[in-house]
Amino acid sequence: DGGITQSPKYLFRKEGQNVTLSCEQNLNHDAMYWYRQDPGQGLRLIYYSQIVNDFQKGDIAEGYSVSREKKESFPLTVTSAQKNPTAFYLCASRPTSTDTQYFGPGTRLTVL
Amino acid sequence: GQQVMQIPQYQHVQEGEDFTTYCNSSTTLSNIQWYKQRPGGHPVFLIQLVKSGEVKKQKRLTFQFGEAKKNSSLHITATQTTDVGTYFCAGSTGGYQKVTFGIGTKLQVIP
Repeated sequence: DGGITQSPKYLFRKEGQNVTLSCEQNLNHDAMYWYRQDPGQGLRLIYYSQIVNDFQKGDIAEGYSVSREKKESFPLTVTSAQKNPTAFYLCASRPTSTDTQYFGPGTRLTVL
Repeated sequence: GQQVMQIPQYQHVQEGEDFTTYCNSSTTLSNIQWYKQRPGGHPVFLIQLVKSGEVKKQKRLTFQFGEAKKNSSLHITATQTTDVGTYFCAGSTGGYQKVTFGIGTKLQVIP
């Protein structure tokens, strides 16, 4: 059963703690993306990776970090430096030679 | 940087009425995509438009790409309650790197 998985669906953390959100895909896609979604603000790009061991900052990278050690995995760490981390986080992947993105189910992070 | 404006941000319609959402890019696009996000769900790809002036249909949905490849629209004929959700456009300037999403139009259909 192919697709993109994100876990957990809901995540709660205390302020000041780092938290890592997982994103795994078995679609054999090279490119992967992390977006943040807030009410009324659409999808904002945090980081993206075109290939293993390489990634680029998106529009709102401050306070976040990523790694891409395997093609299948693109974890996102929300650090304590992110001033307003409570949001819905979406991971996506993209096949080669197309702009179409396939999204995971998302993780809703709440920082208390 | 590239900006994609989308209007309206919210739309309430009576079931059976038509609905249109519009996207406008600050730069010429190589293609534009449309996605639908159901309440509580994630964006799902609907369609991609590539050619200048292109029109594509999916049942009651009609997608258009402007002649200058800077604007696009999605029109739904005779809305149904199953059309509820947020519709996003996403523009690409080429190179298969990243796309820029519009803010989305949240559609509510009143039965």
